[in-house]
Amino acid sequence: EDKVVQSPLSLVVHEGDTVTLNCSYEVTNFRSLLWYKQEKKAPTFLFMLTSSGIEKKSGRLSSILDKKELFSILNITATQTGDSAVYLCAVLANAGGTSYGKLTFGQGTILTVHP
Amino acid sequence: KAGVTQTPRYLIKTRGQQVTLSCSPISGHRSVSWYQQTPGQGLQFLFEYFSETQRNKGNFPGRFSGRQFSNSRSEMNVSTLELGDSALYLCASSFQGGQPQHFGDGTRLSIL
Repeated sequence: EDKVVQSPLSLVVHEGDTVTLNCSYEVTNFRSLLWYKQEKKAPTFLFMLTSSGIEKKSGRLSSILDKKELFSILNITATQTGDSAVYLCAVLANAGGTSYGKLTFGQGTILTVHP
Repeated sequence: KAGVTQTPRYLIKTRGQQVTLSCSPISGHRSVSWYQQTPGQGLQFLFEYFSETQRNKGNFPGRFSGRQFSNSRSEMNVSTLELGDSALYLCASSFQGGQPQHFGDGTRLSIL
């Protein structure tokens, strides 16, 4: 059974801190790994990583994938209160034929940033 | 460009009833997937549709079903509702399988 594990499950920091969120996975027919940010409503797409070792960056957020060790990290530098959210890691797997639509999610990391 | 639209936003039902949820994907997106989100189980995959065909199904009982129409809009149906079906049901669309999925705000279903 496909499995995605995130750590830590929760994290409390102060504004300006740098945080690293971890995601490890065991998935058959891996296609790519995605990071989402969820506040009160819909998960918002952050990154999709398909190749090892290539860092994706967007502002203060960056992420990298290691397909050999089966993990990914999401870094947030100079955190702000607006970064407070649940960060979800998900793995997209080929479920057979041309289906790439199955996302398996981790439990999420609850990040709280205090002023 | 409009995002993924789910209706209704909230629903209250009683045990034994059935419910239909609707999802309109982002214009041009042909793949629609459904997920159930609960505090205990997190986000779990229900099924995926592409070009009106169900491509994949998660580990949910047969009471959960869905369909996709020729305009890519999708519906999800849950029959004989149980208390444990109370959850946030999220729909996500992508241009095709393998592309990032973009989520709607969900339908919050409460079973009394």
